[in-house]
Amino acid sequence: NAGVTQTPKFQVLKTGQSMTLQCAQDMNHEYMSWYRQDPGMGLRLIHYSVGAGITDQGEVPNGYNVSRSTTEDFPLRLLSAAPSQTSVYFCASSASGTGGSADTQYFGPGTRLTVL
Amino acid sequence: GEDVEQSLFLSVREGDSSVINCTYTDSSSTYLYWYKQEPGAGLQLLTYIFSNMDMKQDQRLTVLLNKKDKHLSLRIADTQTGDSAIYFCAETAVDNYGQNFVFGPGTRLSVLP
Repeated sequence: NAGVTQTPKFQVLKTGQSMTLQCAQDMNHEYMSWYRQDPGMGLRLIHYSVGAGITDQGEVPNGYNVSRSTTEDFPLRLLSAAPSQTSVYFCASSASGTGGSADTQYFGPGTRLTVL
Repeated sequence: GEDVEQSLFLSVREGDSSVINCTYTDSSSTYLYWYKQEPGAGLQLLTYIFSNMDMKQDQRLTVLLNKKDKHLSLRIADTQTGDSAIYFCAETAVDNYGQNFVFGPGTRLSVLP
C-alpha cells in the first residue's frame, strides 16, 4: 500500500492563480480531510469528507473547494490564491471517522505552498 | 469550540527524559493522540490513549491522562537526537458527521548532545 499520497510536494503561485492539490489513498478509507499547518497554530481543518459524494466545511474553509467523486481521491482547489494561503497542507484519511481504536488518521507527506 | 494547548518549545539533554504536556477542552473526547512530525515530513502516529485509561506505556513512551483536569502528557525516556521533532497532541471531537481531530499547535523538541 502506498498509504496517503499528495502532489505536488512544493508549489509557488502568484496571487490570483488557481490550482489543485491532489490527495489519494489506497486503503479504502471513507473519511478524508484536508488540514493546513501554520507556525504556532498547529493543524486546522479546512474541509472533510465522510464518503464519496459527501463533503463538509471545517474550521477554515474560505478560499478552498473540495470534491469527492471517488473513495480514493480528495482534491483541494484554490480558486484565487492569496498570500494568506501560504502554508503546509496535509491530507489525511481514516477508516470511518466515527472513532474507535482502529480509527486513526494517516497523513500524507504534505504540500508546501507559497503564494507571492 | 474545542481547543488544545501545548507549550511550543522544549529542550532536553540526550539521555534525559522529555515530558511534553497538553491540555484539551472537550470532555467528550474518546481518544487522545500523540503525533510526531520530523523536519520536511508528514505526521506519524506515535501512540493514543482511550479516555477511560490513566496510563499507557509503549517502549520508551509513556502517556498519562488526567481526565478530571483534561491534561495529557507524553514522556519519552532516554531521549535521543532522533527524537528531535514537533510533537502534536490531538483530541477527537464528534459532531453530526463523525469524528474530527483537533490538534494542538505542536511542541518543538530539541535534543542537545
